[in-house]
Amino acid sequence: GEEVAQTPKHLVRGEGQKAKLYCAPIKGHSYVFWYQQVLKNEFKFLISFQNENVFDETGMPKERFSAKCLPNSPCSLEIQATKLEDSAVYFCASSQNTGLAGGNEQFFGPGTRLTVL
Amino acid sequence: KNEVEQSPQNLTAQEGEFITINCSYSVGISALHWLQQHPGGGIVSLFMLSSGKKKHGRLIATINIQEKHSSLHITASHPRDSAVYICAGMDSNYQLIWGAGTKLIIKP
Repeated sequence: GEEVAQTPKHLVRGEGQKAKLYCAPIKGHSYVFWYQQVLKNEFKFLISFQNENVFDETGMPKERFSAKCLPNSPCSLEIQATKLEDSAVYFCASSQNTGLAGGNEQFFGPGTRLTVL
Repeated sequence: KNEVEQSPQNLTAQEGEFITINCSYSVGISALHWLQQHPGGGIVSLFMLSSGKKKHGRLIATINIQEKHSSLHITASHPRDSAVYICAGMDSNYQLIWGAGTKLIIKP
């Protein structure tokens, strides 16, 4: 598609439950990024993919968080046993990364607001 | 450690004023994104710069690579420009390092 799509828009989970978020990148974009926005303006990088391969996972918490980008499927971010501090908006972005000027620009989805009660 | 610092944190101006938001970044950042986050939460990419200047409508972004500094300007500001503006630096792994954001309010 022409836009990054994220589902669901809102997700409410009880502490300890599993949460799974989905992202469909723009068609033709080979890179996918996940970011977490806690509070109003604090963004944190979580993980990136080049096609179905993990490219950079330096921001991923070691426990409970996992992510995948499988061929012909939306990418997913899964949180096992959610905690209160996981409450945040999770943004997905995609880019072409052609190496040409402007090719690295990231385009963002609308986000998924996760609330852990 | 890659860092991005943005100022001011908050900015209130009257409609029609010229707006400038500044961003400084550390070594290791290869390009700068300027992003706009609406009150509803959506993020729009305004510009990505690695050199020079870009213009889109009333928005202008400049970057000085030697000084590691970028600015976002809004000419003839309008209440609909009210939003949070964020600069984010791209590191060598294409990861964005985020500034703290500037909350802009334009009063009619």
